[in-house]
Amino acid sequence: AQSVTQLGSHVSVSEGALVLLRCNYSSSVPPYLFWYVQYPNQGLQLLLKYTSAATLVKGINGFEAEFKKSETSFHLTKPSAHMSDAAEYFCAVSDAGGTSYGKLTFGQGTILTVHP
Amino acid sequence: DSGVTQTPKHLITATGQRVTLRCSPRSGDLSVYWYQQSLDQGLQFLIQYYNGEERAKGNILERFSAQQFPDLHSELNLSSLELGDSALYFCASSARAGRTGETQYFGPGTRLLVL
Repeated sequence: AQSVTQLGSHVSVSEGALVLLRCNYSSSVPPYLFWYVQYPNQGLQLLLKYTSAATLVKGINGFEAEFKKSETSFHLTKPSAHMSDAAEYFCAVSDAGGTSYGKLTFGQGTILTVHP
Repeated sequence: DSGVTQTPKHLITATGQRVTLRCSPRSGDLSVYWYQQSLDQGLQFLIQYYNGEERAKGNILERFSAQQFPDLHSELNLSSLELGDSALYFCASSARAGRTGETQYFGPGTRLLVL
């Protein structure tokens, strides 16, 4: 069974500061990992994904994440926060086969607040 | 705009009723997934269809059912509704069956309120 834990349901940063959103996963098979963003009253938009190629993954809007197998982590970072980054962020995992196909298992989400 | 459309956007109904949520996937996508987002349960996978056939099932109640039609659109039927079914229901689509980590594109969701 797969699971995802996002540390911190709320993260607050100042505009221009580093953004770090934490995600740890559990999977019995090599995982695929995803970060999605949800703006108020909208659907989920993919920021980036890890599919066993490069361990450092670059996404949209200046975000990136590093897959660390030894730490079972896939933390999301952005060097400089912008007001428009305020949203809820979800980490998700899926596995490569079995009967679960593309089923995504999501973390509980982290709400990012950016202060001027 | 992800290319995935969902109707209706909002739905208000009473306990015991039945509703149907509709999803049209991105052009060319063969898989459709349904997810439920609620305050207490978070985002949970319900069910996946691939090219008209059910492929994976998650925490979907027996009162809920889904199907994917030959034109690849999908419907999620919710019956004998309870207050706890109030949630945001998302549809997502992907190009293939989902085993290769392909991206799932999410629709804007249907917000269901059961009174």
